[in-house]
Amino acid sequence: DAGVIQSPRHEVTEMGQEVTLRCKPISGHDYLFWYRQTMMRGLELLIYFNNNVPIDDSGMPEDRFSAKMPNASFSTLKIQPSEPRDSAVYFCASSSGTPTQYFGPGTRLLVL
Amino acid sequence: SQQGEEDPQALSIQEGENATMNCSYKTSINNLQWYRQNSGRGLVHLILIRSNEREKHSGRLRVTLDTSKKSSSLLITASRAADTASYFCATASGDTGRRALTFGSGTRLQVQP
Repeated sequence: DAGVIQSPRHEVTEMGQEVTLRCKPISGHDYLFWYRQTMMRGLELLIYFNNNVPIDDSGMPEDRFSAKMPNASFSTLKIQPSEPRDSAVYFCASSSGTPTQYFGPGTRLLVL
Repeated sequence: SQQGEEDPQALSIQEGENATMNCSYKTSINNLQWYRQNSGRGLVHLILIRSNEREKHSGRLRVTLDTSKKSSSLLITASRAADTASYFCATASGDTGRRALTFGSGTRLQVQP
């Protein structure tokens, strides 16, 4: 299995631009998680899905952030408009019937 | 805010020595996991201990859990340079059905060859 796939791996954009991060979970996994990692706040859950349905989006910082999972093999996290404080590493993770989560390599976002 | 706090924040040891990292958490849990993160990479699951277990071993890893003190420790024996990484504890809420993990602040381990 290829593991969780994220794209792009690095993104540099200017304040105000729209940013779309993509994730392909491990085939057969029915849970998908989006996390954000910063030096100041550590690893934080943004949102997670079960069977493509958002279950908990309480970690989404504000309306500028949105996430979708149109099918079992694809999810997006969109930031519009982006701000410098959104600069972070964004991780996608997936899991099946066990508590163990499998993480992707992350997308390193820099908003100038 | 982080559920778990880990100490030490950073640890530097020589190859062959043991490394011990501690984690404290605040709410009731179903299980506690430890993950490793190499620099610039994603997190990798190491070991899971359930709330009704007190100790668990996996290779050179030993995890303990004290639910009365809401704390856990990770021991890496006979450390190697390849063990250099950040280590995070992660807890799943005691609420049934919630699968999201809450991570500790992490311990940065440096193993000197």
